[in-house]
Amino acid sequence: ETGVTQSPTHLIKTRGQQVTLRCSSQSGHNTVSWYQQALGQGPQFIFQYYREEENGRGNFPPRFSGLQFPNYSSELNVNALELDDSALYLCASSLAGGPSNTGELFFGEGSRLTVL
Amino acid sequence: AQKITQTQPGMFVQEKEAVTLDCTYDTSDPSYGLFWYKQPSSGEMIFLIYQGSYDQQNATEGRYSLNFQKARKSANLVISASQLGDSAMYFCAMREGPPGFKTIFGAGTRLFVKA
Repeated sequence: ETGVTQSPTHLIKTRGQQVTLRCSSQSGHNTVSWYQQALGQGPQFIFQYYREEENGRGNFPPRFSGLQFPNYSSELNVNALELDDSALYLCASSLAGGPSNTGELFFGEGSRLTVL
Repeated sequence: AQKITQTQPGMFVQEKEAVTLDCTYDTSDPSYGLFWYKQPSSGEMIFLIYQGSYDQQNATEGRYSLNFQKARKSANLVISASQLGDSAMYFCAMREGPPGFKTIFGAGTRLFVKA
């Protein structure tokens, strides 16, 4: 069983640039969620995709956008980067549906973005 | 609106003793799930334990147990026989609705285990 993988693990960008973060879901999972975690804080929900459609969004501006592909891998795109976008970005996959499913999130190791 | 509150920014516990990490939540949905995750300094989020809103018994997983008090809307994590490797950030999380709905996290509690 392949776990959740994210790339890149670290990257540095300058203010105003654009960034794309990638996530490969755990095998068999149909839902992917993205979180932003600033240093010393809890993960903040950005959005969630289920079967290639966004089905939930947190309090993030439209310059945060995403995609989910038919193989359930996903991308997080952030345009016009700001200094406050510096954070650890976590991808988590899960399985929606099923009688005994808890909806547990399986996390990747994250992509650490630094905006200068 | 969903809300998760963890009021203990940091906790100290002596090795081999038990410790309770507090979590309260707020939701109007009768169907929800409660989770605890551990985040070591490496950054990876590790699932510890799950409690469904309709579960009658408190969840247990090895040294972890979840003290679920539905009327008080609390879901405290109890770690028995603390180990040095338990030193980490601990997050309480809630999924409002069935699996497939979003999960939100609390601010976390940093646990320090002393030798």
